[in-house]
Amino acid sequence: GAVVSQHPSRVICKSGTSVKIECRSLDFQATTMFWYRQFPKKSLMLMATSNEGSKATYEQGVEKDKFLINHASLTLSTLTVTSAHPEDSSFYICSASGQGAATGELFFGEGSRLTVL
Amino acid sequence: LAKTTQPISMDSYEGQEVNITCSHNNIATNDYITWYQQFPSQGPRFIIQGYKTKVTNEVASLFIPADRKSSTLSLPRVSLSDTAVYYCLVGGFSGNTPLVFGKGTRLSVIA
Repeated sequence: GAVVSQHPSRVICKSGTSVKIECRSLDFQATTMFWYRQFPKKSLMLMATSNEGSKATYEQGVEKDKFLINHASLTLSTLTVTSAHPEDSSFYICSASGQGAATGELFFGEGSRLTVL
Repeated sequence: LAKTTQPISMDSYEGQEVNITCSHNNIATNDYITWYQQFPSQGPRFIIQGYKTKVTNEVASLFIPADRKSSTLSLPRVSLSDTAVYYCLVGGFSGNTPLVFGKGTRLSVIA
């Protein structure tokens, strides 16, 4: 099946720094990627939808200047958490859909756990 | 986007069949029903997808009644490694529509 890879899987940073998380589709072209965040023992919450070559669409309540999303190619989307604070600590998961993906099926990355000290 | 309702948690002994039912009363005509499994600190993993009637693969079966307002994921002979959270989602045909996750069902398999 299609593979989506995230990097890094874990990152620890100091408050005020920026952190970039990469999401790559390894064997298909991802025209659309989605970013989710998940708090402990909670469900996934959709943050934004990004389409290759255009600006991301953010869900209500998600600060676009805080969570910068770039989808510059068909195989890579990045999420940058700017000026991170402890409340940004969470599990971030990307998913991708596109050419070669089954109808309505999304493939998810392994997730990236961000800890802000 | 259709909202789904599932039991919050279920317990089962090893070797038993587990059925998790999901309600999606507002499912749209072009929505598929997809189930995902998630282990702690991992991304969700696709289990099975269907549109109507019954679908079976090597890990599960999915039963969908004619009105499509609910669906049941059936896991045959569960093992300890099936302990996870199971999410039922309904989504659009194109794949460009994001999947909205409900609370999921936390399945605990006991030896």
